[in-house]
Amino acid sequence: AQSVAQPEDQVNVAEGNPLTVKCTYSVSGNPYLFWYVQYPNRGLQFLLKYITGDNLVKGSYGFEAEFNKSQTSFHLKKPSALVSDSALYFCAVRPASGNTGKLIFGQGTTLQVKP
Amino acid sequence: EAGVAQSPRYKIIEKRQSVAFWCNPISGHATLYWYQQILGQGPKLLIQFQNNGVVDDSQLPKDRFSAERLKGVDSTLKIQPAKLEDSAVYLCASSLVKWGSSNTGELFFGEGSRLTVL
Repeated sequence: AQSVAQPEDQVNVAEGNPLTVKCTYSVSGNPYLFWYVQYPNRGLQFLLKYITGDNLVKGSYGFEAEFNKSQTSFHLKKPSALVSDSALYFCAVRPASGNTGKLIFGQGTTLQVKP
Repeated sequence: EAGVAQSPRYKIIEKRQSVAFWCNPISGHATLYWYQQILGQGPKLLIQFQNNGVVDDSQLPKDRFSAERLKGVDSTLKIQPAKLEDSAVYLCASSLVKWGSSNTGELFFGEGSRLTVL
């Protein structure tokens, strides 16, 4: 079965420190991978995606993510966290073939950045 | 460019009542999705349309949920009768991605319709 796991319900970091939000996936074939962010009472906003090529992808607001095929992971990172980064983050996967285009989401990780 | 529009933003009903949510996708987006997001969980796909046809409704509880996209543009999701466990945020998303073509495009989400069933 195709699935996405975000092993941490919450990640706490101090402002200015680097942050990592973890994601692992299980899908047949090569996946397309996405990160979205959700602020309170808002919809999901696209941050970045991995399709092919360089394993390190850069996205919006200074975020980046590293694709690791052997570990089936796609961790979200940022070198220096801001208080305004505090939000709910979702990892999502779409199989590259045999799929209707829908995204399968993880359960989400709350990022709390403290001043 | 206007984003995905949804209404109402909030709705409170009693169990066994009915409710309807409306979504207008980004202009030109052929594919429209309805997701259900229960508190503490990730979004789960309910139904996917390409133009006015259903591509995937395998996780739609068809005994109480229905959806339509008659003219291939805006869409309505209906719940009748509602149950307590239907309390959730209903997210509409749209995409340029078409079934069978390159699936590299992202989904664009509306702000959601929060349903509370008492």
